[in-house]
Parts: sequence; C-alpha cells; structure tokens
Amino acid sequence: SQTIHQWPATLVQPVGSPLSLECTVEGTSNPNLYWYRQAAGRGLQLLFYSVGIGQISSEVPQNLSASRPQDRQFILSSKKLLLSDSGFYLCACRTGTGDSGELFFGEGSRLTVL
Amino acid sequence: GQNIDQPTEMTATEGAIVQINCTYQTSGFNGLFWYQQHAGEAPTFLSYNVLDGLEEKGRFSSFLSRSKGYSYLLLKELQMKDSASYLCALMDSNYQLIWGAGTKLIIKP
Repeated sequence: SQTIHQWPATLVQPVGSPLSLECTVEGTSNPNLYWYRQAAGRGLQLLFYSVGIGQISSEVPQNLSASRPQDRQFILSSKKLLLSDSGFYLCACRTGTGDSGELFFGEGSRLTVL
Repeated sequence: GQNIDQPTEMTATEGAIVQINCTYQTSGFNGLFWYQQHAGEAPTFLSYNVLDGLEEKGRFSSFLSRSKGYSYLLLKELQMKDSASYLCALMDSNYQLIWGAGTKLIIKP
C-alpha cells in the first residue's frame, strides 16, 4: 500500500518569507497528487492537483504555486507568504481503479505566518 | 453549483449510537465519502457510497440516498477514541472531491 511523507510537520514563518512544503509518495506509481489547505472550522480547500510530471492544475488564485518534478514528488511553494496563508496543509494521493479511488493523506504541515 | 451541509458539532455518550447526517446538492455525482479526522492529524478514509443503501464496516455504517441528496454515518458502541471530526465529501462529475466543513463529535463518559 502507498505511504505519503510530508514535511516539515510544523513551521512558523514571517510575512514575506518564502515557503516550500514537500510531499513524496511510496508504494504506487503515476498517482494523482493533491495539495489541500484546511482552515479552522472549514472544509478542505483544494489548492492544486497533478495527474503527471509537470502537469499542475490550480483551483484557486493565490500567491502559492506547485510543482511536480518527479512522478512521486509534489512541492508547494510561495515566494512571499501572507498572513492569510496560515493553515493546515495536506498532501494527498489518489489510488484505486478508475477515478473513484479514495484519497490517502500525508501527515500534514501546520503553517503559522506571523 | 454544489453544496454540502453537515452539523458543526454533536455530543454523544460512550457505548451509545450516533448518526451524523450530510445533505448535498450537486449537478453531477460520482459517490460520497466519509473521513475521520482526529485533532491535528490528517483525515483517514472510512467509507465510500455510490449506490443507494447501507454499507456496513464493523461499528461504522454509511447510508446513501441519491434521490434525496442525503447520507449519514452511523457509529455504534461509541468509544472515547471516536472523538474526532467526521468529514463528508462529494465526488462531482469531474471526479473532484467537494468537502463539507466537518462534524466535531464529542464523546462523554
């Protein structure tokens, strides 16, 4: 079965600083990969998803970007963080047959922007 | 558009049964998921329903009525470790997940 590693687990960053969150997947190949953000008391918000190397779809306009340099690596970045970027970031992988496979999540990265 | 509603918070007693409801509106439907999320942790998969009816998995069951846009998660023989948020998620016509805000379940001894 697949395993998703996500890091760092926790980080505190000043406004205007850069960000890089990494996610790697083991135990599967050619997965669909996702970056979600979860704000307190709100549902998961899809930020980016990728169906293959170099293929990124953005769901919401923002100052974040994503890249997929390798099949099982997904990176979330920002050049300059905003206060509103604080939240719990989750990387997820979809497996299973067809498009109805369940999502598996990484451990999450809690970002606080001060 | 799409919309998902579930109660914000529920309280139940250890050993009892609780039902968490989820109602939705969507133009395209490819199934409904339930996830469990403990505080500070990632969500974990509980169930998937795409056809009407009840799916049972041990102490947890999930029900779907597509005509009514309604699902529920039923938890039996509640344990303290079941204290968590329960997320309802709809898979739309593009196979993307639309998430509810989650129901925080508090279990009391």
